Amino acid sequence: NAGVTQTPKFQVLKTGQSMTLQCAQDMNHNSMYWYRQDPGMGLRLIYYSASEGTTDKGEVPNGYNVSRLNKREFSLRLESAAPSQTSVYFCASSDLLGIHTYEQYFGPGTRLTVT
Amino acid sequence: AQSVTQLGSHVSVSEGALVLLRCNYSSSVPPYLFWYVQYPNQGLQLLLKYTTGATLVKGINGFEAEFKKSETSFHLTKPSAHMSDAAEYFCAVTLLNNNAGNMLTFGGGTRLMVKP
Repeated sequence: NAGVTQTPKFQVLKTGQSMTLQCAQDMNHNSMYWYRQDPGMGLRLIYYSASEGTTDKGEVPNGYNVSRLNKREFSLRLESAAPSQTSVYFCASSDLLGIHTYEQYFGPGTRLTVT
Repeated sequence: AQSVTQLGSHVSVSEGALVLLRCNYSSSVPPYLFWYVQYPNQGLQLLLKYTTGATLVKGINGFEAEFKKSETSFHLTKPSAHMSDAAEYFCAVTLLNNNAGNMLTFGGGTRLMVKP
């Protein structure tokens, strides 16, 4: 099992450019999440998908869009990147079924710099 | 709404000394509590969690935490620090919501430094 994978690992964008961050999980989890990590602020939820076919805004959704492509894949899109979106982005997944572990499993992250 | 406060963004201990990382939460209902660790340039890894039952929970790498409802705290401890414990530690809380997934709220993180 690869767990949660993210691509790319690193990306540099110019202001106004667009890009899509990809995330996939092979644990058959229902729920998937996108977070951003900034120094001193912990991780903040951008968007989540409780189950295939649904997406909802988290704490900091402005400037982002998401697509739950299927049960495995959840992508995050920046339509017009801004320097304030310079951050480390983490994808995570979890499942409420089965033994109810309540744990989220995290990918390795994408380091994004917007100049 | 729930929130998490981690006291001390940086903690420095000597190798072999006690590690104490503080976490306080606010929640309108009993929460589920987690500690995650992040090693440099890596994702987050679960250290331990409290859901129900025994309030003292043991995790990986010799860490443990105690849920104290009266103090709304979930402090992380380890009796003897090792150099390999140097990392950033995050406390998180969730209120289980079947309609929205188990959304986590994170504290700001505490960077643990271990001196030889």
